[in-house]
Amino acid sequence: EDQVTQSPEALRLQEGESSSLNCSYTVSGLRGLFWYRQDPGKGPEFLFTLYSAGEEKEKERLKATLTKKESFLHITAPKPEDSATYLCAVPATGTASKLTFGTGTRLQVTL
Amino acid sequence: DVKVTQSSRYLVKRTGEKVFLECVQDMDHENMFWYRQDPGLGLRLIYFSYDVKMKEKGDIPEGYSVSREKKERFSLILESASTSQTSMYLCASSLLVQETQYFGPGTRLLVL
Repeated sequence: EDQVTQSPEALRLQEGESSSLNCSYTVSGLRGLFWYRQDPGKGPEFLFTLYSAGEEKEKERLKATLTKKESFLHITAPKPEDSATYLCAVPATGTASKLTFGTGTRLQVTL
Repeated sequence: DVKVTQSSRYLVKRTGEKVFLECVQDMDHENMFWYRQDPGLGLRLIYFSYDVKMKEKGDIPEGYSVSREKKERFSLILESASTSQTSMYLCASSLLVQETQYFGPGTRLLVL
């Protein structure tokens, strides 16, 4: 059965304190891994898609990396506006259109 | 920019009512999706549609139906709302299968 596990569940950082969020997955034949950001009461906002091990993508203070078993979202020198829940998702095995989501990491960045 | 809009941000309904949630996307995407999101359970797929009038069940279709009469519009119908359907409902669309899904702002539904 496909599984996507995100850790930690919650993370509290001070402004400027860099850290990483983890997304580990078990799926047959990875066909992409998606990262989203979700603010409270809003829909997920697309951040990155990664397709192959070793791939990296960056956007402002965020960098996503991918290995054969997991992905990391590195946050460098975060600011309070980076506070959100970060979700990762992978296409489900055997079907091209369904995504299996993790339950997210809730990030809080304080001054 | 992709824009996915949902008809309501908040909705309060009574048990047994028929409820319609509408979603519209403006990017000519082929695929549209309905999810519900609950604390601790993450996003779960209810239904998706890969073409006009075509639909497939997701992981939790019981108690729901969908309609896609036009490419840009995908409706979720709760035939007889129950308190267990109180949730955040999210619509998404994607250009092609396996491509990035773009989400709407969500509808928070409360069934009393």
